[in-house]
Amino acid sequence: DADVTQTPRNRITKTGKRIMLECSQTKGHDRMYWYRQDPGLGLQLIYYSFDVKDINKGEISDGYSVSRQAQAKFSLSLESAIPNQTALYFCATSAAGGRGNTGELFFGEGSRLTVL
Amino acid sequence: QKEVEQDPGPLSVPEGAIVSLNCTYSNSAFQYFMWYRQYSRKGPELLMYTYSSGNKEDGRFTAQVDKSSKYISLFIRDSQPSDSATYLCAMSRNAGNNRKLIWGLGTSLAVNP
Repeated sequence: DADVTQTPRNRITKTGKRIMLECSQTKGHDRMYWYRQDPGLGLQLIYYSFDVKDINKGEISDGYSVSRQAQAKFSLSLESAIPNQTALYFCATSAAGGRGNTGELFFGEGSRLTVL
Repeated sequence: QKEVEQDPGPLSVPEGAIVSLNCTYSNSAFQYFMWYRQYSRKGPELLMYTYSSGNKEDGRFTAQVDKSSKYISLFIRDSQPSDSATYLCAMSRNAGNNRKLIWGLGTSLAVNP
């Protein structure tokens, strides 16, 4: 089984619908992230969480919300989806920072979302 | 101007070729440099991690950082079809600071048998 699991892997929805993307991890990491990846724009950080009670906005949080239900679970919601949120979404985890820690990100396989 | 520039390619080479992938950056404060590899329909995975200037070698892969030129490279020797992927550079000022990680757009590489 994958260390970082995302569901669903593919989703097609309509403008205005609420969508939730879920992420669970077995790495035991405290830090979790949501990114979106678009051709020509690369990876952009949406939200990140350093523990269950810590949620922070990334560079492109407008139109998104998150919930950290447990150390191992971090979900991303689009309250009212719009076509320009069509993208590939990645969940990632990393160990806590510190001396000698590279901060290596461990990514899930991605959730491809299409908003019509 | 973007903080990190990376030619998106695509780059197509024959099996066994030496491949050079590059990124340039504008922020002289960057000290930590990473290369991630992303296979089609998969998430990125860390390939190489380097600090400051110099070279780091791992098998067929060599990461090179030239801070004076604000230029980083990833060399792949004896390239294999299994190296076909998109290679993303990333960099930051502080170790493990993924909140401030700056990504390149990625270079798509195809190694042909």
